[in-house]
Parts: sequence; C-alpha cells; structure tokens
Amino acid sequence: GAVVSQHPSWVICKSGTSVKIECRSLDFQATTMFWYRQFPKQSLMLMATSNEGSKATYEQGVEKDKFLINHASLTLSTLTVTSAHPEDSSFYICSVPSGGASTDTQYFGPGTRLTVL
Amino acid sequence: GENVEQHPSTLSVQEGDSAVIKCTYSDSASNYFPWYKQELGKRPQLIIDIRSNVGEKKDQRIAVTLNKTAKHFSLHITETQPEDSAVYFCAVPSGYALNFGKGTSLLVTP
Repeated sequence: GAVVSQHPSWVICKSGTSVKIECRSLDFQATTMFWYRQFPKQSLMLMATSNEGSKATYEQGVEKDKFLINHASLTLSTLTVTSAHPEDSSFYICSVPSGGASTDTQYFGPGTRLTVL
Repeated sequence: GENVEQHPSTLSVQEGDSAVIKCTYSDSASNYFPWYKQELGKRPQLIIDIRSNVGEKKDQRIAVTLNKTAKHFSLHITETQPEDSAVYFCAVPSGYALNFGKGTSLLVTP
C-alpha cells in the first residue's frame, strides 16, 4: 500500500501561536488529500479536502480561516492551525486515496498529536 | 451526508471467543465498506474491506459480511487473541473521503 508520512508526530504549543502540520505521500502523486481530526475516545471526523492547484473544501463547522490548508504539490499538503487554543488539542490525521473513485482504499498518515497549553 | 451507526460501543470477550461488530448506513448507493483497527495513539489500519458486488469476504480470522438490502455490514473476528484488543471503526464513502462510525472498543481477556 501507499506510504504516507506526517510531520511532526507531536507538537506542544502555547495558546495563540500557529502550528503547521505536513502530510506527504511518499510513493505516489495525489491530487486530493483529506484531513481528519480525532478527539480523545472519539471517532475520526473529516475536516477538509485538500486539492492540488485549487482551494481546499471544508466540512460544515470547520473554520477555513483558522485551519489553513495548502496543497503545494502532488505529494505534499499542509495544515496550519492558526491562533491555536486548548480546544484545538487533538489528533490530526491525513489520508491519501489510492485512486479517483469512492471505492478506492484510503491510506492514513501516522497522525500528529497537537497539545495547546 | 451519509449516516453510519456502529454497535456495540464496547465489547469484551474471552480469548478464543468470537466478536461481531455491526454497522448500518443510510445511503443505498454506498458501494465500499472498510473496517479499520486503531491502537492507542496510532493511525487507523485497514484490516478488511468489501465492495458491493459481493456479500462476504474472509481473511484468515477476520471476515466482513454485507447485506445491501438491509443496509448493514458486520465485522467478524474468530478465535480472538489479546492482540486483537483495539478500537475498531467501520466507514462508508462520503464523496471520496470516509465517514466513520463511532467505534467499538474491543477487549480480549486471556
């Protein structure tokens, strides 16, 4: 299967600062990547779809000005949490679909644990 | 969006017993049904999936069954082992992303 990496694996920051998380598809190109968020003991919730060459699309209730997404290349998407607050503390996971169909396997990155103090 | 319900939320079995987790979905057009296993602090790992053209798929101790008429699919784990203890999520497509169930915390006791 595809190899997806994320960096950093964990980060602790002060309230009000911004944090950038990178998601890389290491062995194939992806025009689309997905960002999920997972709070403790909860399920994964889709935050946004990262589109190479165009704007990201956000799920209802996700602030696009707070969670900035940049799909810089066919192998890299970044999520920047701006002006982070303690309630943004969560596990952020990206995924890369193996193809262009809804029946294609999704490959997940290892996740980034964000703790905002 | 697609609504997916997963039951039970917790499941405790003795080693060697079977475990069954069930998910129901709302969109009859759904055609892909994966199951993920997530250990604490780690990424979800795909353990088995099924597409709508078959009713059952098996991989060693793990199987998934699909009932498209009733719109539900189930994960079956036989001869459970302590290392099967984890949180299991079902999912259905939502566009090209996935909509996950709320998860089942499985505990296998020796």
